[in-house]
Amino acid sequence: DAGVIQSPRHEVTEMGQEVTLRCKPISGHNSLFWYRQTMMRGLELLIYFNNNVPIDDSGMPEDRFSAKMPNASFSTLKIQPSEPRDSAVYFCASSLERTSGSRFSHNEQFFGPGTRLTVL
Amino acid sequence: GEDVEQSLFLSVREGDSSVINCTYTDSSSTYLYWYKQEPGAGLQLLTYIFSNMDMKQDQRLTVLLNKKDKHLSLRIADTQTGDSAIYFCAERQEANSGYALNFGKGTSLLVTP
Repeated sequence: DAGVIQSPRHEVTEMGQEVTLRCKPISGHNSLFWYRQTMMRGLELLIYFNNNVPIDDSGMPEDRFSAKMPNASFSTLKIQPSEPRDSAVYFCASSLERTSGSRFSHNEQFFGPGTRLTVL
Repeated sequence: GEDVEQSLFLSVREGDSSVINCTYTDSSSTYLYWYKQEPGAGLQLLTYIFSNMDMKQDQRLTVLLNKKDKHLSLRIADTQTGDSAIYFCAERQEANSGYALNFGKGTSLLVTP
């Protein structure tokens, strides 16, 4: 398996431009996560999907951010308009979530290599 | 949410043991994780421990869990220069109706020859 695939790996754009980050999860996984990593705030969960449905988007900074998962093999994170403070590394991760009775089982999250976004 | 706390930096000499500490937030967390991030790469799962365990050993790695104090540690024996990376502690909370993890800010481990 190729693992989680993210594109582009690097993006440099100017303030006010629209930015679209893409993610292809591992085939067969049913959960997908978008994280943002900065020096100041560390790793923050932005949103996650289960079976293509957004479960928790409370980490999305503001209305300028939106995420979609039109099918099980593709997700996008869009920033419009972008601002310099959005500069960060954005990670996508996927996992196969199973439950055992009333308890969640251990399910490893597999991370993509990240997209380094620079907004000038 | 509340923060998972880790020290930011740790420097050790090659061959010594490294101990990275973490304080998590939720006593009902079911699984606790250690992830490793090498420069320019995503996070990779190193090991995990279920909350009903006190210790887990996996080759050079030893995880200790103190549920009373909500304290988790990762010990790396015979630390090598290739172990230099950022190590993240994460908790999975039973009360969480979904599947997200709560990560600490990471500990940068530097191994010097």
